[in-house]
Amino acid sequence: KQEVTQIPAALSVPEGENLVLNCSFTDSAIYNLQWFRQDPGKGLTSLLLIQSSQREQTSGRLNASLDKSSGRSTLYIAASQPGDSATYLCAVQLGDDNNDMRFGAGTRLTVKP
Amino acid sequence: EPEVTQTPSHQVTQMGQEVILRCVPISNHLYFYWYRQILGQKVEFLVSFYNNEISEKSEIFDDQFSVERPDGSNFTLKIRSTKLEDSAMYFCASTPGGARTVSGNTIYFGEGSWLTVV
Repeated sequence: KQEVTQIPAALSVPEGENLVLNCSFTDSAIYNLQWFRQDPGKGLTSLLLIQSSQREQTSGRLNASLDKSSGRSTLYIAASQPGDSATYLCAVQLGDDNNDMRFGAGTRLTVKP
Repeated sequence: EPEVTQTPSHQVTQMGQEVILRCVPISNHLYFYWYRQILGQKVEFLVSFYNNEISEKSEIFDDQFSVERPDGSNFTLKIRSTKLEDSAMYFCASTPGGARTVSGNTIYFGEGSWLTVV
């Protein structure tokens, strides 16, 4: 059974710092992996999607990498800002014709001014 | 930017009552989903819907749950007889589908409907 784990559960950094969030999954047979942002009481916003054949995706200050064989993904945030404060979730899609996505519990990020 | 909209944002209901949560997915999307998040827990997949039928469902999605696309725009989740443990945030989502690409698979979530069963 696919299990997704995110470390750390919470992270507090000063503004301007670069940071890395980690995601691991137990079964490497995934279709894709997505990173999401969730603000308190709000929905999820997709940040980056990495197809299983890809190794990384970049969007602005965000870079996500995927090492499928080792079951790991990282989300790198450069030059963090207070507006980046949110919970970051990773999720793996199990298959092309399997729409079940398994989520991690998230990392709660606080960026202090 | 197109978005997934959900109503109501918050509903309180008595145990045993029926609840219908409504969603309007993004208009040109082909795949629709319901997820839920119990307070403090992970987001969990409930069901996916494509071409007017359920394509996938989890073990959570038992006979008490049903989904429907009654017209060309709405997508509903019905809980027939609510239990206390159904209290959660319910998220509707949609994807464009149709291609094995980043854009085809990026999923768009609504803001959620917070259901409280008392």
